[in-house]
Amino acid sequence: GQQVMQIPQYQHVQEGEDFTTYCNSSTTLSNIQWYKQRPGGHPVFLIQLVKSGEVKKQKRLTFQFGEAKKNSSLHITATQTTDVGTYFCAPLLYNQGGKLIFGQGTELSVKP
Amino acid sequence: DVKVTQSSRYLVKRTGEKVFLECVQDMDHENMFWYRQDPGLGLRLIYFSYDVKMKEKGDIPEGYSVSREKKERFSLILESASTNQTSMYLCASSSRRKNYGYTFGSGTRLTVV
Repeated sequence: GQQVMQIPQYQHVQEGEDFTTYCNSSTTLSNIQWYKQRPGGHPVFLIQLVKSGEVKKQKRLTFQFGEAKKNSSLHITATQTTDVGTYFCAPLLYNQGGKLIFGQGTELSVKP
Repeated sequence: DVKVTQSSRYLVKRTGEKVFLECVQDMDHENMFWYRQDPGLGLRLIYFSYDVKMKEKGDIPEGYSVSREKKERFSLILESASTNQTSMYLCASSSRRKNYGYTFGSGTRLTVV
């Protein structure tokens, strides 16, 4: 079935440093969503990418969808302690009732 | 403004008990999902439903069943709870009108003893 590999699994940064997580698929994706889960919380929808080469920004967060639509990335500029949590990528399967397949996630910790 | 509500935050049940986990959404979403989340294993789909009375198996349906009698409610049933079903259970809903972005409930942490 459809799977995505997310790397790295863990990332520890000093506050103010940048952070990037990557999501890779062996097959072409129709679209991909990103979620953030704070410690002890539930995943919260961040964004959806649909077009080849698409780049979207949300303040310090930049999301990219690869030209071949087989990979995606999330980049955070100048991390803050509020960025702590696990970031998941999830391809959407339109032909299966809008089902998402979640990657394993990247757990980000930020040292003040 | 809570939009996906799970009936219990914490639940402790005995092995062999029948367990009902309830999920209600107030956004008129057609799709509803049940996931379990375990350390190191991520989010795994148990069952989902794209319409009332419709259900589809996810990746790990064994030991579970579901019910969707009304559009707003999706119930997960553990027919005979076992210790390996101790987990965090997350309900979510989505709609094609909202580009299928999931809204999750706060989760139910189930412990089977």
